[in-house]
Amino acid sequence: QVQLVQSGAEVQKPGASVTVSCKASGYTFTNYDINWVRQATGRGLEWMGWMNPNNGNTGYGQKFRDRVTMTRDTSTNTAYMELSSLRSEDTAIYYCARFYYFDRSGAFAFDIWGQGTVVTVST
Amino acid sequence: DIQMTQSPSSLSASVGDTVTITCQASQDISNSLNWYQRKPGEAPKLLIYGASNLETGVPSRFGGSGSGTDFTFTITSLQPEDFATYYCQQNENGPYTFGQGTKLEIK
Repeated sequence: QVQLVQSGAEVQKPGASVTVSCKASGYTFTNYDINWVRQATGRGLEWMGWMNPNNGNTGYGQKFRDRVTMTRDTSTNTAYMELSSLRSEDTAIYYCARFYYFDRSGAFAFDIWGQGTVVTVST
Repeated sequence: DIQMTQSPSSLSASVGDTVTITCQASQDISNSLNWYQRKPGEAPKLLIYGASNLETGVPSRFGGSGSGTDFTFTITSLQPEDFATYYCQQNENGPYTFGQGTKLEIK
């Protein structure tokens, strides 16, 4: 079935970097953008950016532009999100999601989500 | 950036009730509005896309309407499994902003 499977939980120190992976299966990986969304404890969902697996093009939210890098490996159908210069406020669950085009309505939405990766930033 | 104002932030209701959540965009987003359900320990789940289209497999008691800047999400005949947090999200223009969420609790 169509699914996105993310890497396991991470604990990092302030100032370090973290990389979360997102492996796609059950569909053609290069046909749909992968977006990344996070949720800190007690906060809402926060969109971070997108990556086109076909050509590697990316777009980042301004809040993350200086610290995030989204890449992919088409040989393994895996997307990656690296966040650098970590601070305590980056402690959150990070999700990847497929940006799907519903051709009958012309609408786009995040239809498939990874299970989430908990990233804890702590000394 | 497009701001999404969702209300109420929390809501108490009983099984069998009908509830409505609203979402207002800071500028015209046509029908580029989606609704998601989030339960503790689970990934968000798409319920409604394009403002009013029901995602495959989602029960028909869920519904959405609106266009432009004002949108409504309704659940009729609430079931126990519907108690969760709901988010609207626009994808008309990046960044693809979410509303603040509405926590639906059992009365």
